[in-house]
Amino acid sequence: RKEVEQDPGPFNVPEGATVAFNCTYSNSASQSFFWYRQDCRKEPKLLMSVYSSGNEDGRFTAQLNRASQYISLLIRDSKLSDSATYLCVVNSGANNLFFGTGTRLTVIP
Amino acid sequence: DAGITQSPRHKVTETGTPVTLRCHQTENHRYMYWYRQDPGHGLRLIHYSYGVKDTDKGEVSDGYSVSRSKTEDFLLTLESATSSQTSVYFCAISEPGFSQPQHFGDGTRLSIL
Repeated sequence: RKEVEQDPGPFNVPEGATVAFNCTYSNSASQSFFWYRQDCRKEPKLLMSVYSSGNEDGRFTAQLNRASQYISLLIRDSKLSDSATYLCVVNSGANNLFFGTGTRLTVIP
Repeated sequence: DAGITQSPRHKVTETGTPVTLRCHQTENHRYMYWYRQDPGHGLRLIHYSYGVKDTDKGEVSDGYSVSRSKTEDFLLTLESATSSQTSVYFCAISEPGFSQPQHFGDGTRLSIL
């Protein structure tokens, strides 16, 4: 079983829509969680860390459910510039990050 | 953007040749990492370093070696490149601690023919 699993998509949504991605992780002892964004042929960039209480950054909201071992990312009012691949990342200890394969989002005009 | 520079950015070479990729940081972060990214796989850790001359293996370390003689430089060497090592290689840096995210360089596209 993979450490981190994501629906690869693609998710094709119209501008202004709300879209949500989920990600599950297998190690219940995982310590920290992140969402990264990766544009085509570019490096991953940190979008946000995910805290136990949930956190929001503008149009982006991240949630953590430790009991069910999943994290989610909600994007409201989607923009064309949100088109990218979103990577779910889990730290299972000792600075050892495990990356999901990513969920591809395309926002359509 | 984090001050991370990878070189070269692109390289094409032949099977059996040695290849060295360089990662240089200006952030003075203690931890440095090498990943590879392939279709159908998430980024996979090759090796990482937690200080000068302190390194450890990651998930896919076979066929790779690393060295870190200075805080700012982390080298990845393929002693005898194989076609299965064709990939995009990313360097990352972070501060110590579980809650610290990693920041990535621009990547090196390596093709082994």
